[in-house]
Amino acid sequence: GNSVTQMEGPVTLSEEAFLTINCTYTATGYPSLFWYVQYPGEGLQLLLKATKADDKGSNKGFEATYRKETTSFHLEKGSVQVSDSAVYFCARGGGGFKTIFGAGTRLFVKA
Amino acid sequence: EAGVTQFPSHSVIEKGQTVTLRCDPISGHDNLYWYRRVMGKEIKFLLHFVKESKQDESGMPNNRFLAERTGGTYSTLKVQPAELEDSGVYFCASSQDDSQGPYEQYFGPGTRLTVT
Repeated sequence: GNSVTQMEGPVTLSEEAFLTINCTYTATGYPSLFWYVQYPGEGLQLLLKATKADDKGSNKGFEATYRKETTSFHLEKGSVQVSDSAVYFCARGGGGFKTIFGAGTRLFVKA
Repeated sequence: EAGVTQFPSHSVIEKGQTVTLRCDPISGHDNLYWYRRVMGKEIKFLLHFVKESKQDESGMPNNRFLAERTGGTYSTLKVQPAELEDSGVYFCASSQDDSQGPYEQYFGPGTRLTVT
């Protein structure tokens, strides 16, 4: 089974609303954790990452904290914009060089 | 600097036909990866090249899929014969040689394959 689970979408918010996209993982050890974003018509982009427990990754106003106690890496943003509309993928290092992804969460932000 | 490019962007073929997808990684990146996303599900790893060698092909679904990277530059992924369940978006990614990790993989826009 998939070892990265994220909340199903779509998530629809109004501009300036608070965003949380939940993500949990299963793994032996402490893998690196990532959030990728795919804007319409573009490829996946690394949004942020954390490499060890309690690390906080941040970029473009988004944050996620590596919580080993709850095996979670929830993505948050205090005030979303229309331009944040995209699909967000939680992921973890899969051993070697592979990356294991969640199913993605589509976010729609309304003006 | 050009990013990872993939060709074609879309392909529609009939069951039983052959399709070849191409990926051009970022210049100088030794590592090249193929992933696919089927029917809105998770993006799954297919395989990893280091230069022209297959480092990990544990995600290749079956022998209808053949990936090559002759010369260690661009890569092709051939599906022959295509089946309905092969429909999805095929992503390519590349990264620099980084034995320490964590690495950042740079993704292409994907090729959307539809098998009818």
